[in-house]
Amino acid sequence: GNSVTQMEGPVTLSEEAFLTINCTYTATGYPSLFWYVQYPGEGLQLLLKATKADDKGSNKGFEATYRKETTSFHLEKGSVQVSDSAVYFCASSQGAQKLVFGQGTRLTINP
Amino acid sequence: KAGVTQTPRYLIKTRGQQVTLSCSPISGHRSVSWYQQTPGQGLQFLFEYFSETQRNKGNFPGRFSGRQFSNSRSEMNVSTLELGDSALYLCASSGMTSGNNEQFFGPGTRLTVL
Repeated sequence: GNSVTQMEGPVTLSEEAFLTINCTYTATGYPSLFWYVQYPGEGLQLLLKATKADDKGSNKGFEATYRKETTSFHLEKGSVQVSDSAVYFCASSQGAQKLVFGQGTRLTINP
Repeated sequence: KAGVTQTPRYLIKTRGQQVTLSCSPISGHRSVSWYQQTPGQGLQFLFEYFSETQRNKGNFPGRFSGRQFSNSRSEMNVSTLELGDSALYLCASSGMTSGNNEQFFGPGTRLTVL
């Protein structure tokens, strides 16, 4: 079946540092790919998405590119802020309203 | 437009009891999905309803069930609660526009089983 693997956390960075959170997927076809963010005590918010190979999703300074060759969808941000501290989930979906999530990466940004 | 709402936000039950959680999707959305989030298993898909019909089901025992009403509101029920059912239960709705399976999540119901 489909699966998503993302880098283990927690990740701790200083403000203005460069962020990369790795995500790879396995699927029989070409799923849609998503990054969700979860702030403490809240549900999930969609951060960005890509629906086909070479698509780049972007939002709030975050970017991720759908790489079919490496089956990856790594999340990047050039300069993180304290307010970016949260748990980040990579997810895939293939035709149905069923998301398969990675295990989540807790990100802490220190001032 | 109001977001996805879930009630109650917090719930405490004891083993053996049953519980019903409610989810109201975004107005106009007809698909509702449920997920369980635990520290050990992460986020796992429970089931999805569309137009009052269950279309997809995850790998959970029959104690977990759900339904959807004609106004798209959904409920999930867990019977004979076990300690391991303690989790955050998230509901998500989708507008099912062509080629778009983006899901919008509610804040969740945190269930504690004692």
